[in-house]
Amino acid sequence: QQPVQSPQAVILREGEDAVINCSSSKALYSVHWYRQKHGEAPVFLMILLKGGEQKGHEKISASFNEKKQQSSLYLTASQLSYSGTYFCGTRATYSGAGSYQLTFGKGTKLSVIP
Amino acid sequence: KAGVTQTPRYLIKTRGQQVTLSCSPISGHRSVSWYQQTPGQGLQFLFEYFSETQRNKGNFPGRFSGRQFSNSRSEMNVSTLELGDSALYLCASSLRQGAEQYFGPGTRLTVT
Repeated sequence: QQPVQSPQAVILREGEDAVINCSSSKALYSVHWYRQKHGEAPVFLMILLKGGEQKGHEKISASFNEKKQQSSLYLTASQLSYSGTYFCGTRATYSGAGSYQLTFGKGTKLSVIP
Repeated sequence: KAGVTQTPRYLIKTRGQQVTLSCSPISGHRSVSWYQQTPGQGLQFLFEYFSETQRNKGNFPGRFSGRQFSNSRSEMNVSTLELGDSALYLCASSLRQGAEQYFGPGTRLTVT
């Protein structure tokens, strides 16, 4: 089942912060985050594993709330280069059939303006 | 290291035809996954191959098939094309199953 991302779209001015959420109805083993710029391939940002860890990448960080089966991506002091569509991909089980399949949300379009 | 390459980049076919898309993963990567991307639907998982075996399959009709060769290169085939098959087809490779995925530029398929 496809995870639900919110918001669907957001417009920020340079320097502002944003939070993108990814929720699943299934128990999650891991969450992947990717960014896709217009006309380009998705680019890997980070993986969060079951255990609720928080990871960081430049000014972009993320958390994974195991109890809520939700991950949040935090973008601080946004830059023009952050513009793009952000996708979360969820892996629902640790073992068994389909366990390595990533199911992606529909994406959150982030636009950063000067 | 060279990235993931996909050929062809653009393709125009007519309904009823079949098509084969090719994906060369990053050297050393053994897992290849295929996705269909359409506006508003995000990335829909097609299938994943690891060590020449299909390990996972998404919810697509049997017209969609694929294979992986001993050098990890992968192909996907769509038979009896329908208008709704028009999409960007992305392949992604990873070092192992479940690891971060590296996407190719995609093949833009248009069915007329």
